[in-house]
Amino acid sequence: DTQMTQSPSSLSASVGDRVTITCQASQDIKKFLVWYQQKPGKAPKLLIYDASNLETGVPSRFSGSGSGTTFTFTISSLQPEDIATYYCQQYDNLPLTFGGGTKVQIK
Amino acid sequence: QVQLQESGPGLVKPSETLSLTCTVSGASLTSTNFHWSWIRQPPGRGLEWVGYISYPGRTNYNPSLKSRVKISVATSKNQFSLNLTSVTPADTAVYFCATWTVSQAGFDSWGQGTLVSVSS
Repeated sequence: DTQMTQSPSSLSASVGDRVTITCQASQDIKKFLVWYQQKPGKAPKLLIYDASNLETGVPSRFSGSGSGTTFTFTISSLQPEDIATYYCQQYDNLPLTFGGGTKVQIK
Repeated sequence: QVQLQESGPGLVKPSETLSLTCTVSGASLTSTNFHWSWIRQPPGRGLEWVGYISYPGRTNYNPSLKSRVKISVATSKNQFSLNLTSVTPADTAVYFCATWTVSQAGFDSWGQGTLVSVSS
């Protein structure tokens, strides 16, 4: 199985700050990575696919980059509605596997 | 827009079978455009892919559950189902059904999730 390691597991930032989350894969997954946002009590929402492509309707302050084993997710200017847990997930091989999540809070 | 809704018992006894159904609207389960999937999330923890089924019945399961899990489709009802046998308290989780669009990537439509507790 491909292990996905996210860091940090939680962070606290101010409104307007730039926020960066890292996802490390245990093997080369090319660009086959997606990012989700999950708010408390809700289902995850797809934000980015193919490591860097923004899903339709997702604000442009969200972005992703990377390939191979190291990936980055960025919120360019944190907004109050971005408070959530963010997950990466690889789809290069089965079983599909998720990172452990990064909880983003407002300072 | 595909919409999904999970249904089933919220409490299952240890060693019994967990059975959930996902009712789909906005797409047909005979479409080859989707993988019809189950994902679970233990309380306060991360996401785990359980498995998926694709028309006309190809399945893929997480090896960690493979011997206990079965996903099936009822095309006449536009529903797909999850059966998980011999459950233990470790199977307590919110269970989500979701779709993976083959032409794109990612689980792009989700049900609201249903909490299943395993307890005597």
